[in-house]
Amino acid sequence: DVKVTQSSRYLVKRTGEKVFLECVQDMDHENMFWYRQDPGLGLRLIYFSYDVKMKEKGDIPEGYSVSREKKERFSLILESASTNQTSMYLCASSSLGGLAGVNEQYFGPGTRLTVT
Amino acid sequence: DAKTTQPNSMESNEEEPVHLPCNHSTISGTDYIHWYRQLPSQGPEYVIHGLTSNVNNRMASLAIAEDRKSSTLILHRATLRDAAVYYCILRELLTSGTYKYIFGTGTRLKVLA
Repeated sequence: DVKVTQSSRYLVKRTGEKVFLECVQDMDHENMFWYRQDPGLGLRLIYFSYDVKMKEKGDIPEGYSVSREKKERFSLILESASTNQTSMYLCASSSLGGLAGVNEQYFGPGTRLTVT
Repeated sequence: DAKTTQPNSMESNEEEPVHLPCNHSTISGTDYIHWYRQLPSQGPEYVIHGLTSNVNNRMASLAIAEDRKSSTLILHRATLRDAAVYYCILRELLTSGTYKYIFGTGTRLKVLA
């Protein structure tokens, strides 16, 4: 059974703290993604990676950075957490190619981060 | 970036068909249309995808307009377990050769017993 796991389901941090959100997948997928989900805004892409040590900015990268040192692990870093980063964070992975148009994304359960 | 537009919410009676619409008028020729759904307290899961032709799988059917500016996800017989937020997504091909998924805000489907 395919699996994407995230380090925490719930996290509470203080403003200004450095926050690490970890994501691990066991499917040997090349692509990994970080999204945030907010009411009325749907899912918005923060960063993604298509290979180890490679990263690309998504639609809302400001205030975030990422790290991918190993193929199975993709970390999202909030350098200095702010209250407007309170959100649900979802990690996903997908294979690089294969059948045209497939690239099904597998999502983790999410981390609900509260910054106070 | 192309965008998708979906109704915020829809209701259906159990055992009846449901048609979930999506507009994507700025879609480009290489963008695939994907649908995902998100059950309560879970991450989204894949439902179906297509490019130009209508598609069927065990979960649903996808009807794509001839001009590709809209599509409809069809659940043939809604069950209570189908209550979820349904996302219409465009998979955009990037110059790097990889893909980016553009999520809309989704349609919350309520199924009435």
